[in-house]
Amino acid sequence: NAGVTQTPKFRVLKTGQSMTLLCAQDMNHEYMYWYRQDPGMGLRLIHYSVGEGTTAKGEVPDGYNVSRLKKQNFLLGLESAAPSQTSVYFCASHFRSNTGELFFGEGSRLTVL
Amino acid sequence: EDQVTQSPEALRLQEGESSSLNCSYTVSGLRGLFWYRQDPGKGPEFLFTLYSAGEEKEKERLKATLTKKESFLHITAPKPEDSATYLCAVQAENSGGYQKVTFGTGTKLQVIP
Repeated sequence: NAGVTQTPKFRVLKTGQSMTLLCAQDMNHEYMYWYRQDPGMGLRLIHYSVGEGTTAKGEVPDGYNVSRLKKQNFLLGLESAAPSQTSVYFCASHFRSNTGELFFGEGSRLTVL
Repeated sequence: EDQVTQSPEALRLQEGESSSLNCSYTVSGLRGLFWYRQDPGKGPEFLFTLYSAGEEKEKERLKATLTKKESFLHITAPKPEDSATYLCAVQAENSGGYQKVTFGTGTKLQVIP
């Protein structure tokens, strides 16, 4: 059972480049989330999805887009990367009935030069 | 606005030296309080959920307690493998769409052999 898998684990971008982070979960969870984690700050929610085909904005959505075409996958896109988006990104998921117990991936470290 | 404050930011203990981590919170209607463990370079791993004041949960050397304003994570006779960052999070009652979870910045625990 792989749980929540994020790819890539590391990426370096130049300002203005675009990229997509992929999150895949094999637990049949309805809810999926993208967080970012920065030093001295708690995990902050970027976007989330409550089911296949649905997405919604979290606390810090600007500069990011998401898609959930399949229940098991949640994609996070950066259309034009900025240095302020240098961070560690975490994907998480859970069952609709158990909203507090999040299952996290191992993270994707993104550096924007 | 929901807030979670964890203290201390960092804690260094000798192996076997018991201590407590603090999580103070303000939330408009607490649905649940959560503790997670995060190892370096990894995603957070769920430990406990507490729902109401007076509740306690235990797991090996860890014991979490909850009052109306704060939660404590007690670590009894810690071992070096307990070294990690411990995150506290609170979940507010439904705010229209998803169950919002607010994370603290964590306490970094180091246990010295």
